[in-house]
Amino acid sequence: DAGVIQSPRHEVTEMGQEVTLRCKPISGHNSLFWYRQTMMRGLELLIYFNNNVPIDDSGMPEDRFSAKMPNASFSTLKIQPSEPRDSAVYFCASSYQVETYEQYFGPGTRLTVT
Amino acid sequence: AQSVTQLDSHVSVSEGTPVLLRCNYSSSYSPSLFWYVQHPNKGLQLLLKYTSAATLVKGINGFEAEFKKSETSFHLTKPSAHMSDAAEYFCVVSAMDTGRRALTFGSGTRLQVQP
Repeated sequence: DAGVIQSPRHEVTEMGQEVTLRCKPISGHNSLFWYRQTMMRGLELLIYFNNNVPIDDSGMPEDRFSAKMPNASFSTLKIQPSEPRDSAVYFCASSYQVETYEQYFGPGTRLTVT
Repeated sequence: AQSVTQLDSHVSVSEGTPVLLRCNYSSSYSPSLFWYVQHPNKGLQLLLKYTSAATLVKGINGFEAEFKKSETSFHLTKPSAHMSDAAEYFCVVSAMDTGRRALTFGSGTRLQVQP
């Protein structure tokens, strides 16, 4: 298996632009998680899905952030409009069951908003 | 509410010497506990997990951790450090919180291994 796939690996954009991050979970996994990692705040859970349904989005910072999972093999995290404080590494992770929490992480997308 | 505290932000050891990374947690419910490792510019990888079975948990790459309920600790150890162990390590607690499972990550411990 290729593991969790994220694209792009690096994104540089200007403030105010829309940014879309993509994730392909491991085949057969039915839970998907989006995280953000910064030096200041460490690793934060933004949202997670179980069977394509958002279960907990309490970590989403504000309305500029949205996430979708249209099918079991694809998810997006969108920021519109982006701001410099959104600069971070965004990780996607998947697991077979949300209860086990044996999560497999993708390599991350490093986002820089100038 | 739950929380996890990694007591050291940086730990430096010599190659071949023991490693101890400390983690304390608090949880209102029976927690599951995990250690993840993150190498530079990589995602996180699960090292080991405790889910209410044996209190001494063995993981990959020679790491192990012991769950001590009386001390609310889950310290990570390895008898002999290798250069490839240099990375950041995260202690994670998972418990039912307000009816939903919540994951809480520690702030991380950066392990340096000196030759």
